Amino acid sequence: GESVGLHLPTLSVQEGDNSIINCAYSNSASDYFIWYKQESGKGPQFIIDIRSNMDKRQGQRVTVLLNKTVKHLSLQIAATQPGDSAVYFCAESSSQSNFGNEKLTFGTGTRLTIIP
Amino acid sequence: DVKVTQSSRYLVKRTGEKVFLECVQDMDHENMFWYRQDPGLGLRLIYFSYDVKMKEKGDIPEGYSVSREKKERFSLILESASTNQTSMYLCASSFVAQGAIYSNQPQHFGDGTRLSIL
Repeated sequence: GESVGLHLPTLSVQEGDNSIINCAYSNSASDYFIWYKQESGKGPQFIIDIRSNMDKRQGQRVTVLLNKTVKHLSLQIAATQPGDSAVYFCAESSSQSNFGNEKLTFGTGTRLTIIP
Repeated sequence: DVKVTQSSRYLVKRTGEKVFLECVQDMDHENMFWYRQDPGLGLRLIYFSYDVKMKEKGDIPEGYSVSREKKERFSLILESASTNQTSMYLCASSFVAQGAIYSNQPQHFGDGTRLSIL
């Protein structure tokens, strides 16, 4: 089946630096992508999403980049803060699959640690 | 803000018991989902519902059933709990844009129920 994966399971970044978390996906029909943040003891929190008709989308201190040619997704966090320490994971879906974009496929996550 | 509330944060049950996990959302979302989250396996979809009394199997429905009698509430039922069902259970909801066939909208999650089956 299709899978979504991450290049690195852990990432440590100095406070104030920028961080980049990567995600590879294998389904060429994927057309909707989401990044989630999960803090310890909490459920996943929606950060930002992007549709396949876009290459880049910006939020507050976050940017998602989509490269459909190589099926790669990245999340950039600017000026990282201690509160950014969490597990981040991507998810994707395809409107062409059964139940369309309702069914997300999740990556296993990258643990981001911000070093004070 | 979307609020998805799961009735219990921690739950301990015994093998063979019938277990009910409850989830309520306050944003009038059409879609609701139940996942389990296990280390190294990520989130796996158990069931989802796109309308009242409607349900669809996810990737791992065996040993589970669901109930959606009201739009805001989605229940996960472990018919006869087993130790391999010890896990973190997460509920989520999303809405369907008017006129759209599929939601193409992010799912919003509750904080999970950590269930231990002894």
